[in-house]
Amino acid sequence: LAKTTQPISMDSYEGQEVNITCSHNNIATNDYITWYQQFPSQGPRFIIQGYKTKVTNEVASLFIPADRKSSTLSLPRVSLSDTAVYYCLVGGYNNNDMRFGAGTRLTVKP
Amino acid sequence: GAVVSQHPSRVICKSGTSVKIECRSLDFQATTMFWYRQFPKKSLMLMATSNEGSKATYEQGVEKDKFLINHASLTLSTLTVTSAHPEDSSFYICSARDGRDYGYTFGSGTRLTVV
Repeated sequence: LAKTTQPISMDSYEGQEVNITCSHNNIATNDYITWYQQFPSQGPRFIIQGYKTKVTNEVASLFIPADRKSSTLSLPRVSLSDTAVYYCLVGGYNNNDMRFGAGTRLTVKP
Repeated sequence: GAVVSQHPSRVICKSGTSVKIECRSLDFQATTMFWYRQFPKKSLMLMATSNEGSKATYEQGVEKDKFLINHASLTLSTLTVTSAHPEDSSFYICSARDGRDYGYTFGSGTRLTVV
């Protein structure tokens, strides 16, 4: 499984756009990139998944450059409720290696 | 969407007793299930991976005789913490992989406190 590196923590203010970047230099050809959100004392929740270029859903966008060695999760206009830990995982559809990195602790301030 | 039910959400047990945690996929068949433990302000640590009908694959350093995993059906996996000690107190989380689309869904977690 491609190892991932993320910033340990980030601070933001309500209404701002937040971009969290994940590095995965040794991503394999058939690996996908998936982001999860976790609140305290809860299981992780799926946010978005992508393979290349840009993916957007109702809560976030995922930007993946052509070399796929990194990815950026973009949260538009964050609110206090977006305060959580965000994890990126890299793996193939047939890859059962679900080890988490350290994640990024996002704190949204009023 | 896919739902994974994990029970109990909280459990307190005495040292030396055993505790069973259940993980059920409610609306899909889980070809693979994963068990994690998480300490406060730390990331999830993978304990084991289990496929239905076969023995679980444990991560290095995880005692298979202490953390018994059973994946008897495509919708149920259980984690039994045997002879629990206070240092086993942690947050345990399961995850199930949907055999239809290979998506992963997580349970809500179980807070185990051993006194």
